[in-house]
Amino acid sequence: DGGITQSPKYLFRKEGQNVTLSCEQNLNHDAMYWYRQDPGQGLRLIYYSQIVNDFQKGDIAEGYSVSREKKESFPLTVTSAQKNPTAFYLCASSIERVPPNTGELFFGEGSRLTVL
Amino acid sequence: SQQGEEDPQALSIQEGENATMNCSYKTSINNLQWYRQNSGRGLVHLILIRSNEREKHSGRLRVTLDTSKKSSSLLITASRAADTASYFCATDAGAGNNRKLIWGLGTSLAVNP
Repeated sequence: DGGITQSPKYLFRKEGQNVTLSCEQNLNHDAMYWYRQDPGQGLRLIYYSQIVNDFQKGDIAEGYSVSREKKESFPLTVTSAQKNPTAFYLCASSIERVPPNTGELFFGEGSRLTVL
Repeated sequence: SQQGEEDPQALSIQEGENATMNCSYKTSINNLQWYRQNSGRGLVHLILIRSNEREKHSGRLRVTLDTSKKSSSLLITASRAADTASYFCATDAGAGNNRKLIWGLGTSLAVNP
């Protein structure tokens, strides 16, 4: 079935470590996004990519990095520079390339990162 | 306060009743979307309503948009326990490179059997 796969679902990290969250889609969508979700807050955009080898910062990009080497893959690295990384991370994709993400979004099941 | 504010924050109803959630926003929009999120899961798109539309239906869902009041409502009729989830509105606002999707804080709906 077509969809978005995020892994791992749960991840624990020690302070000072970088971690990479995987996001793969087989929907043939051009655009992919990373969001962060914290309790009591709406989704906040970290990074988005409209096309391979190109990506743009969202509203809270500091302490994060991404790459888009393949159309189907958009991994997110949470670096040690991110001061409060414990959160639920959601990857999404959309058909349109219209920036930044104004059409219907298809979401993965999320990755919950906890810093110990 | 934020663009795309839902109310109520939490709603508890009995199975079979209707559930109504509201979303208010501040600036002009291009479209407004509603999503559902089950606990600990990803979001699922429900309906997109464009700024020139006033009402849309999808199964047991009815969405209205009142651009003069800058508000939208999501009605779920004949609710089921499986409708228990958080519901978010997202407003597509701005133009050109300033165009973006802004998320509300969500309404938590509990449907009791």
